[in-house]
Amino acid sequence: EVQLVESGGGLVQPGGSLKLSCAASGFIFSDSSMHWVRQASGKGLEWVGRIRSKSDSYATSYAASVQGRFTISRDDSKNTAYLQMDSLKTEDTAIYYCTRHNPPFDYWGQGTLVTVSS
Amino acid sequence: QSALTQPASVSGSPGQSVTVSCTGTSSDVGNYNYVSWYQHHPGKAPKLVIYDVSERPSGVSNRFSGSKSGNTASLTISGLQAEDEADYYCSSYTSSRTYVFGTGTEVTVL
Repeated sequence: EVQLVESGGGLVQPGGSLKLSCAASGFIFSDSSMHWVRQASGKGLEWVGRIRSKSDSYATSYAASVQGRFTISRDDSKNTAYLQMDSLKTEDTAIYYCTRHNPPFDYWGQGTLVTVSS
Repeated sequence: QSALTQPASVSGSPGQSVTVSCTGTSSDVGNYNYVSWYQHHPGKAPKLVIYDVSERPSGVSNRFSGSKSGNTASLTISGLQAEDEADYYCSSYTSSRTYVFGTGTEVTVL
């Protein structure tokens, strides 16, 4: 059974940093492209970014709204993807989901809540 | 990249059909057959119901179908059931090599 479990969310002040993790199981993680998607309260889903597999040189891509502030990485030995979030803004407050891109986004985690507030 | 445009809400009685539209541009929906649809119950993980415009994943009811014309994709739910009540989002690949989601549609079963 495919499982994606996000962790690391919490309360952080504006300008602060937070690192989210996405632990995967039930599939060959190292062959998969992993994406992050977020949803602010009362808003729709927003694509955040992705990291491809080793065979695609671990290429990353980001939404313009987070470019230069967020960094996606992965550790295939731990079957885990990460989202490093720096220079956080109040508008980054959202539930963050990781999702496997098969393509399409065929499996999703339950999400982890990030609140940016002073 | 602006979000794809969806109606805020659609509703129908049990057994009826409803259609949710998803309007983009020639840089996303209109240029790629990589449109997918997700069912999202608040507090739960989104679930893929349609991919590549009209393909249905294994295990998804055949009451869900998808289509595309020009810059607009559509999701149709036929034989509406109470369990179909949820938020639905479309998504498309873009010419910027990124992805974009729709604004979301709340489907209500009357």
